[in-house]
Formats: sequence, structure tokens, C-alpha cells
Amino acid sequence: GAVVSQHPSWVICKSGTSVKIECRSLDFQATTMFWYRQFPKQSLMLMATSNEGSKATYEQGVEKDKFLINHASLTLSTLTVTSAHPEDSSFYICSARNVIGTDTQYFGPGTRLTVL
Amino acid sequence: GESVGLHLPTLSVQEGDNSIINCAYSNSASDYFIWYKQESGKGPQFIIDIRSNMDKRQGQRVTVLLNKTVKHLSLQIAATQPGDSAVYFCAENMATYKLIFGSGTRLLVRP
Repeated sequence: GAVVSQHPSWVICKSGTSVKIECRSLDFQATTMFWYRQFPKQSLMLMATSNEGSKATYEQGVEKDKFLINHASLTLSTLTVTSAHPEDSSFYICSARNVIGTDTQYFGPGTRLTVL
Repeated sequence: GESVGLHLPTLSVQEGDNSIINCAYSNSASDYFIWYKQESGKGPQFIIDIRSNMDKRQGQRVTVLLNKTVKHLSLQIAATQPGDSAVYFCAENMATYKLIFGSGTRLLVRP
């Protein structure tokens, strides 16, 4: 149990285009999902907290108009990187917290974004 | 703030030996701590967690120790195996379930 999937697993896009990444909790409901970014040989950096049915909460320094987050259901959150640039190339990872009150976050397998 | 490291410290151990990975956390108000294992190109995998009202917790081949006085967390892996080679991150639970990750340690297991 507690499986989180991401789609796509990797994507290459041209500079200036937008890319949508999906995060799904497959066997549990998640009121809260989190989006992280990880550059090579670095730790995970929390970008935003996504709450079902409400606006996402962004960490300091993360542009909310560039990284659009939608959490339309208890099993799906999406991150859209708008007008992507090469510096947005990174490994994007989501996590989900079970609605049944546990503290554990389960992570997805990540999405490798490369912007040319 | 978040923890960032440009160069991951590396721990190299002989297969079969015990490994100890250390982590210093930043917020004395954190009440929940987790160790994650991350293999190359994959998302973090939960290993073990501990709450602040405990100082030790054991799992299968892994033990986590928490010293709140000096804000230190350690992960002990018994009889380290080649499959344990990965990057290990500690994470502390902040308010509203936000996790702040440490900078990570790369574990290399020598055959």
C-alpha cells in the first residue's frame, strides 16, 4: 500500500513551453501533497504544499505564477512549469500524506525535466 | 530554511560491516523525524521514523537514535549489503507536516 505515482517519468521540452507533471496516490486518499525539486547531488527542496480544494502554499522564493499547482481531487495533484527555461531543468518529486492522520509522507518516483 | 549541499559526504563501508550515518537537525520544535533512502534517479524511500518522545527505535537491520539535547539523529544499518548503497537523507517534520531535508550522505558498500 501507500503507492504514489508520477507521470511522466521524464520529459524534454523546448524553452518557452509549459510542462504538466501529475502526482497520484494510487491506493489512499491524500488531502495534502507536496512538491519538491532536486538538483544533481543536492537535497530535496520543498517548493509548495498542495491542499485538496484550496490554493497551494508556496515556499519563499518559489514563483507561484511559474509553478502552477492544482489539487483537484484527493488522489491527484498537478504541477505545471510555465514558460520553462533551461534553469528549470531538474528532478521534480511529489509526496503525499494519507488523509487518515498519519505523519508519514510517501514519495513518488520523480520526474526528470530537461528544458532545451 | 531548507538544507542544500553541493558536495555529498560519502561513507564507504565493507560489506557485512555496520554503517552509521549522522544528521544534525535545525529546529528544536520538530517532533517527528524520518530517514529516507534514495537510489539514483528514484524518489526517496521511507526507511524508519521516530518521534521526539523517543530516543531509539529499531526496525529490520536499522536503528534510529535521537539526541534532542544536541539535535542529532543517526541511522545505524547492521550487516551492510551492496543493496544498501544509496544516498540517505534525514528529514525533520515542521509545522503543517512540511518536511525539511538534510543535505544527505552517500553510502558506498565495498564488496
